[in-house]
Amino acid sequence: SAVISQKPSRDICQRGTSLTIQCQVDSQVTMMFWYRQQPGQSLTLIATANQGSEATYESGFVIDKFPISRPNLTFSTLTVSNMSPEDSSIYLCSVDLGGSNTGELFFGEGSRLTVL
Amino acid sequence: RKEVEQDPGPFNVPEGATVAFNCTYSNSASQSFFWYRQDCRKEPKLLMSVYSSGNEDGRFTAQLNRASQYISLLIRDSKLSDSATYLCAVNPRLGGSQGNLIFGKGTKLSVKP
Repeated sequence: SAVISQKPSRDICQRGTSLTIQCQVDSQVTMMFWYRQQPGQSLTLIATANQGSEATYESGFVIDKFPISRPNLTFSTLTVSNMSPEDSSIYLCSVDLGGSNTGELFFGEGSRLTVL
Repeated sequence: RKEVEQDPGPFNVPEGATVAFNCTYSNSASQSFFWYRQDCRKEPKLLMSVYSSGNEDGRFTAQLNRASQYISLLIRDSKLSDSATYLCAVNPRLGGSQGNLIFGKGTKLSVKP
């Protein structure tokens, strides 16, 4: 397993502002994944953050709305830009520690975002 | 048809009961399958990977049926501490990022004394 720390754990934000969520892992990992879990919905992958290259975004998610940084092998940030109430959600970072990309994901505790 | 669908739940069972969850997936090329557990207001945690031959971990048994495209989770001798939401997850990509799991919405289990 791993220790995955996310900050902030929760925040209440005003419409039109931006918030950056930080994710710190206690071991080096090649890929970090950002998921969103909206109320009553399933977890949805936003993007994959690779160290040293641009993040790979899933269908329906764009870099302008969710810019991602990955400065090293233990850290990543996700920014939710120009927020609207529809962005209210839990944002989770995760890593695959199963070896050889097994798909066995470990998640951070999540950042619960409420947009007013 | 949604990519991953689960029993709607909630399941309310007494302690000691056996309960089974099913999950269907739409992509026949899906490669790997998982059950995650999510406690209220917590992050999901991996419960079990699901192997083609089926696998068991204590009171938990996972099965995969590729022909019918479903996976199942069986919990025997339910404990109060088993109360949680159980998420089914499927990796649909051959050779792609293993992090791109498609999750179901989850099935809520409540075990009562």
